Amino acid sequence: QLQLQESGPGLVKPSDTLSLTCTVSGGSISSSRYYWGWIRQPPGKGLEWIGSIYYSGSTYYNPSLKSRVTISVDTSKNQFSLKLNSVTPADTAVYYCARLGYTSSGQHGAFDIWGQGTMVTVSS
Amino acid sequence: DIQMTQSPSTLSASVGDRVTITCRASQSISTWLAWYQQKPGKAPKLLMYRASSLESGVPSRFSGSGSGTEFTLTISSLQPDDFATYYCQQYDSYIFTFGPGTKVDIK
Repeated sequence: QLQLQESGPGLVKPSDTLSLTCTVSGGSISSSRYYWGWIRQPPGKGLEWIGSIYYSGSTYYNPSLKSRVTISVDTSKNQFSLKLNSVTPADTAVYYCARLGYTSSGQHGAFDIWGQGTMVTVSS
Repeated sequence: DIQMTQSPSTLSASVGDRVTITCRASQSISTWLAWYQQKPGKAPKLLMYRASSLESGVPSRFSGSGSGTEFTLTISSLQPDDFATYYCQQYDSYIFTFGPGTKVDIK
């Protein structure tokens, strides 16, 4: 059964870079079927898509975050990573990694498997 | 960018009620619409994709409909486990946008 697990520092200082890793277990990140994504949720607020990546390295970013975000993949470790630079307290959130689902008709445009999420606080 | 709205923002209902949540997109997204359920402290759970396709393992009391810019999620008979927040999400050319959410609480 495929599982995703986020990891990284829980506290980041303002103006620093937030770095998180998502480890995929029970399946291969290199499957040609799937894209992988990062989504975040500030405390008490809604969900915000950050960006997505394919195993080949193709990336797509939220236009509102694009200037600060880099998502990369390491197929040898079955991991993908998020870097968000120049963080402010507004970047405080639970960060989730997730898999973009696939059916016999192709990608279905929804995230079907999620990690448990990791809380990141931006504070000095 | 495509914007998503949901109504109502909060819905109070009783066990056994039929519940409908509406999601609107700022431009046509065909049927590229998903619904999620989220409980406090937990990751979102996918309920529906492609507007009306039920995710495996999701109870059949959940159903989705719509196309273009207007979509609905219906719970035919609300169960105690269904009290949660529900989000819609659109997909357009590898860009995703979530709606603001609808909280379903106990009347």
